[in-house]
Amino acid sequence: EIVLTQSPGTLSLSPGERAALSCRTSQRVSSSYLAWYQQRPGQAPRLLIFATSTRASGIPDRFSGSGSGTDFTLTISRLEPEDSAVYYCQQYDRSPRTFGQGTTVEIK
Amino acid sequence: QVQLVQSGAEVKKPGSSVRVSCKASGGTDSTYAVNWVRQAPGQGLEWMGNIVPIIGTPDYAQNFEGRVTITADESTLTSYLEVSSLRSQDTAMYYCARDRSGPDSDAFDFWGQGTLVTVSS
Repeated sequence: EIVLTQSPGTLSLSPGERAALSCRTSQRVSSSYLAWYQQRPGQAPRLLIFATSTRASGIPDRFSGSGSGTDFTLTISRLEPEDSAVYYCQQYDRSPRTFGQGTTVEIK
Repeated sequence: QVQLVQSGAEVKKPGSSVRVSCKASGGTDSTYAVNWVRQAPGQGLEWMGNIVPIIGTPDYAQNFEGRVTITADESTLTSYLEVSSLRSQDTAMYYCARDRSGPDSDAFDFWGQGTLVTVSS
């Protein structure tokens, strides 16, 4: 099983600041098979990024993804209050499709 | 617009079984995999398994193999998750989610609203 480790656990930033969320995988993952999700309290997760860097439909361009191999990053360029949520990375390269444990982004 | 609508909340006794349904509509078909994801209270997301309805053979995470059964009715685009021998640790929100493209592996673009299963004596 591919283990995904996200850091930091919690990020506390002010509106307008930039957030960088890390996702490291225990084995190499093809760039085509790495996604990021946002989950706000009481809601189902929402797909933000697939194939490492492609934004899903309707996702603002302040969200961007990058990385390769075992090291991936989600960047939120200018934080807005509605970005307060838990963010999960996921690999779907190999079964089982595993998630990271999540990074909580708090907006001050 | 694709919609996944799940069945309602359940309260079950330890040792019993529960079946959760997920009906897809609005521009999807049986070539898209339907995944099941568990989220215990205050915890992260855990992939349980999936099924491509037109193929019918489920793929399970090892943690759930033997106690979980995933099926699908191709004619109604409804997927089912059954969990047997329930214990308190199975108390969780259960989500279904569709692969973005089918039938090869892809990210989950549409999610159900979630079904809360509570296991309590």
